[in-house]
Amino acid sequence: DTAVSQTPKYLVTQMGNDKSIKCEQNLGHDTMYWYKQDSKKFLKIMFSYNNKELIINETVPNRFSPKSPDKAHLNLHINSLELGDSAVYFCASSRQPSTEQYFGPGTRLTVT
Amino acid sequence: AQSVTQLDSQVPVFEEAPVELRCNYSSSVSVYLFWYVQYPNQGLQLLLKYLSGSTLVKGINGFEAEFNKSQTSFHLRKPSVHISDTAEYFCAVSLYRSGYSTLTFGKGTMLLVSP
Repeated sequence: DTAVSQTPKYLVTQMGNDKSIKCEQNLGHDTMYWYKQDSKKFLKIMFSYNNKELIINETVPNRFSPKSPDKAHLNLHINSLELGDSAVYFCASSRQPSTEQYFGPGTRLTVT
Repeated sequence: AQSVTQLDSQVPVFEEAPVELRCNYSSSVSVYLFWYVQYPNQGLQLLLKYLSGSTLVKGINGFEAEFNKSQTSFHLRKPSVHISDTAEYFCAVSLYRSGYSTLTFGKGTMLLVSP
């Protein structure tokens, strides 16, 4: 019944490692997003995909690479992790780019 | 440029008291407005939205918000809060650019309800 799901929920890793976070939505939405929430709870858009096509790419380091194998999935791969990447990452989806977004439970990434 | 300002980072209130969480936005075009709630260690949940029509919008859990175009505000209100309303509340504006829209969030307001 979960609308937007993310795995894993917690991710602890060392600097320099490569890791992936997966996101799936079963709402039939066309648009999916990745957000980063920092330690001060500030939310910032990272990427947005519409029908598997990248439509928004904020000023995110090239170490972050989103991949959308189909409309229901949007994964986030991070290379060469840095301390500053520690945050909570949220996936979201919407029926269209301009409609309300539904969020996943988040993935808390801790880089040591 | 479009921005969202939540004037209060934290709002303490006693149970059963009324509360208002303030949100102001800046935009040169028509906007869509949203309020989201984030309970501890959870994702964001949509409380309510304003797309068009009536400026008074009712949402879940007894919350409502009023869109005021002249004051560019979208304040969130509840007449009587419960302990369970303790959470972070985010105001968001739908930003339209390059043929697509995305949400710009305010910095959040922590609502602390005490007995």
